[in-house]
Parts: sequence; C-alpha cells; structure tokens
Amino acid sequence: GAGVSQSPRYKVAKRGQDVALRCDPISGHVSLFWYQQALGQGPEFLTYFQNEAQLDKSGLPSDRFFAERPEGSVSTLKIQRTQQEDSAVYLCASSSSGRASYNEQFFGPGTRLTVL
Amino acid sequence: AQKVTQAQTEISVVEKEDVTLDCVYETRDTTYYLFWYKQPPSGELVFLIRRNSFDEQNEISGRYSWNFQKSTSSFNFTITASQVVDSAVYFCALVSPNQAGTALIFGKGTTLSVSS
Repeated sequence: GAGVSQSPRYKVAKRGQDVALRCDPISGHVSLFWYQQALGQGPEFLTYFQNEAQLDKSGLPSDRFFAERPEGSVSTLKIQRTQQEDSAVYLCASSSSGRASYNEQFFGPGTRLTVL
Repeated sequence: AQKVTQAQTEISVVEKEDVTLDCVYETRDTTYYLFWYKQPPSGELVFLIRRNSFDEQNEISGRYSWNFQKSTSSFNFTITASQVVDSAVYFCALVSPNQAGTALIFGKGTTLSVSS
C-alpha cells in the first residue's frame, strides 16, 4: 500500500477484555515500531521489530502487552485484560532502514483504544 | 538520560505572522538524530525533517526553516508567513542510538493555532 495502515481505527473495550491491534507497514520496510500516545502527550515507544525479530521491547508497560511480526510484514499488538489506563492512541510506524541509518519513520493513522 | 523539551504548550498567531517553535534536547551520545513531525487534527504524524548531530547547517524548505545549535542543545523550527493550514501539533523528537536504541523520543508537543 501507499502508506502505513492500522485497524481498527477505533476500539472500545470493557475492562478485562483482550484486544488485538493490527499494523500493515509500507511494503518492504524493514523496521516497525509501536508507540502509545496518551491524550495531550507525545508518543511513547513501546517496541521495535527488524523484520520478524523483536529487537527492543523495553517500552512495553507490563506483561499484558505483547507484540508480534511473524513474517516480517504485518504486526499485531495484543493487550490482555485491558485496564482503563490502557486507553490511548496506539501508533504504528515503519522505516526502510535497519538500525544503522535511523531514517525517518512513517506513521499510520493510529488506533484509538477506549477502555470502559 | 535522553529527553526532549518543548516548553511552549500552545501558541496562537494570526495568518502571515512568523512563528518559532522551540526544542531543547538532552543526550550523552555524540551521534544522534533530531526530527520534527507535524500532527494535524486528522491525527497522522507527518515527517518534516531529519538532522544528524554532525550537520549543524541550518535548513530552509519553503516557508519552513530549522536552526540547529549544538552549543545550546536546541533545534528550533520557524514557520514564515504562517497559514491556517499550519494549525497542528508539532513534535520534536530525538534518536539517541547508544543510550536509547532506535526509538524516537518525543517532546510533549506544541499546539499551533493560526487564525485568519
């Protein structure tokens, strides 16, 4: 596709439900990132993949958060037993470079998660 | 620690005014990368510029210009002759590879409102 796409765009979950958020990066992009953006704040890093390898998951806030990219393209961010503090916009970004170049990251439109 | 500070939370200007958005960063890395992103009301982050730490030349792109000063750890962004379409949240971000890996470290953003 032309850009990074994310689905669903909006998700409402009841506290305790599990959710899965999908990211389709730009075709051929090696690097994929997930960020969490709370209302009125800048995005905060969650995790990073280079192809199918998850090289950095230092930003995941708890073991309820899990991300995968099994074939090195589409990625899924899963949140188990959602809590109200998980309410945020979840942004996915992809980049054509691996670690060495630190090229710009292209962002998707985000998934707005609301936990009731 | 790596950090990006955008001290201006909100700025309001009238069309055709010039406006400067401030960004101050902290890192112990000698090699690092600085970025500006625009987030319009639609929510999707749009890449504006990338600058590495070894290139202190100022850059101009149309009505946009950037001033990078290592001596003051600042990377300020100026919009000349602002337009209503410039209204958005602007984020300054840092990649500090040795200290913080590949993740973008964002400031909290500056909301720019341009009125006609």
